[in-house]
Amino acid sequence: KAGVTQTPRYLIKTRGQQVTLSCSPISGHRSVSWYQQTPGQGLQFLFEYFSETQRNKGNFPGRFSGRQFSNSRSEMNVSTLELGDSALYLCASSSNTGTGSYEQYFGPGTRLTVT
Amino acid sequence: GNSVTQMEGPVTLSEEAFLTINCTYTATGYPSLFWYVQYPGEGLQLLLKATKADDKGSNKGFEATYRKETTSFHLEKGSVQVSDSAVYFCALSLKGGKLIFGQGTELSVKP
Repeated sequence: KAGVTQTPRYLIKTRGQQVTLSCSPISGHRSVSWYQQTPGQGLQFLFEYFSETQRNKGNFPGRFSGRQFSNSRSEMNVSTLELGDSALYLCASSSNTGTGSYEQYFGPGTRLTVT
Repeated sequence: GNSVTQMEGPVTLSEEAFLTINCTYTATGYPSLFWYVQYPGEGLQLLLKATKADDKGSNKGFEATYRKETTSFHLEKGSVQVSDSAVYFCALSLKGGKLIFGQGTELSVKP
């Protein structure tokens, strides 16, 4: 099976712009989660989508949003970019269909640089 | 709240040395516990997991035992290799697709 894929791998944006990142989960996985990784804050959970619905949400401002399509592919959007949004954004998918804990499989990430 | 604490790095070892990376957690409920590894420039790879007390996860020579009494999930390997150099993350999950990570421990193995 192909792994989790993320596009683009690298992105440079300017403050105030918006950006959309894409994630394709492992075939058959319906849960997709997003994380932000920075040197200062480490790995932080952004949100999780399951069957096109947001199921969990982390503690990030409303500028961070996401969605999931019927084929389980997911996108996240960051509006009005700030310098502090520079980070590695990781997507993970899992076969989790309920409220139990399942292992997540991560993509290679999108490295976003805001200048 | 729920949290994970890992020993600070970097940890530098010689090849074939014994490795322990400490991980303790705080959780309301009964979490599943995971170790992930991140190689430079890559995403996270699941190394091992344990879903209930006294479970032992193992993979590629690495082991960790879920200790409910000490709320710990320490990672061990008997003989490290240069190729094990990476950043290791301990994580917990209580439900759904939310993982809570420790701060990561960088391991450097010298030949």
